[in-house]
Amino acid sequence: ILNVEQSPQSLHVQEGDSTNFTCSFPSSNFYALHWYRWETAKSPEALFVMTLNGDEKKKGRISATLNTKEGYSYLYIKGSQPEDSATYLCAFSSSNTGKLIFGQGTTLQVKP
Amino acid sequence: ETGVTQTPRHLVMGMTNKKSLKCEQHLGHNAMYWYKQSAKKPLELMFVYSLEERVENNSVPSRFSPECPNSSHLFLHLHTLQPEDSALYLCASSQERGLTEAFFGQGTRLTVV
Repeated sequence: ILNVEQSPQSLHVQEGDSTNFTCSFPSSNFYALHWYRWETAKSPEALFVMTLNGDEKKKGRISATLNTKEGYSYLYIKGSQPEDSATYLCAFSSSNTGKLIFGQGTTLQVKP
Repeated sequence: ETGVTQTPRHLVMGMTNKKSLKCEQHLGHNAMYWYKQSAKKPLELMFVYSLEERVENNSVPSRFSPECPNSSHLFLHLHTLQPEDSALYLCASSQERGLTEAFFGQGTRLTVV
């Protein structure tokens, strides 16, 4: 059974705070690690797909890092804004199957 | 607008009904997926199609029957469902299975009464 764990489950921060979330995944048969943002009443939307150990990706105020040897990825949001409020999902894909297995998500609420 | 369209957006059906969910993508993607989102659970992978061939059936009950007639369309046929099958059903597609970003439809909110 492939287990993808995310923490924390939820987070409330003030506008302007920086924050980070963790995703842990199996360290064997690694293929790719995905991050998605899911806003209420919308579809999940891809933020990053990372495939190499040590990968770092950035999109505006959001960045992510990847450690495939120890099986974790961090997502960072610098200077959170209310529009960053959403559920952030990570998903692991194994080289054996190519299945995309999701974690439970971290729900972020940014207060103005 | 992600390029992946699901219909209907909402569906209420009785336990003896037969209905189908439809998913369409014109992104030229090779892989298509069905996911189930139940309350307080992770997105649960149900089926994966790659180049119109089913490559994954994640121990899903036979009352759910997928169909992929061509690379742009994916259906989920529903028959004699249970109330616990009420959930949000999401379709997604990607260029390469597992390796490239998935594009999701807006989902079908299914209620079984």
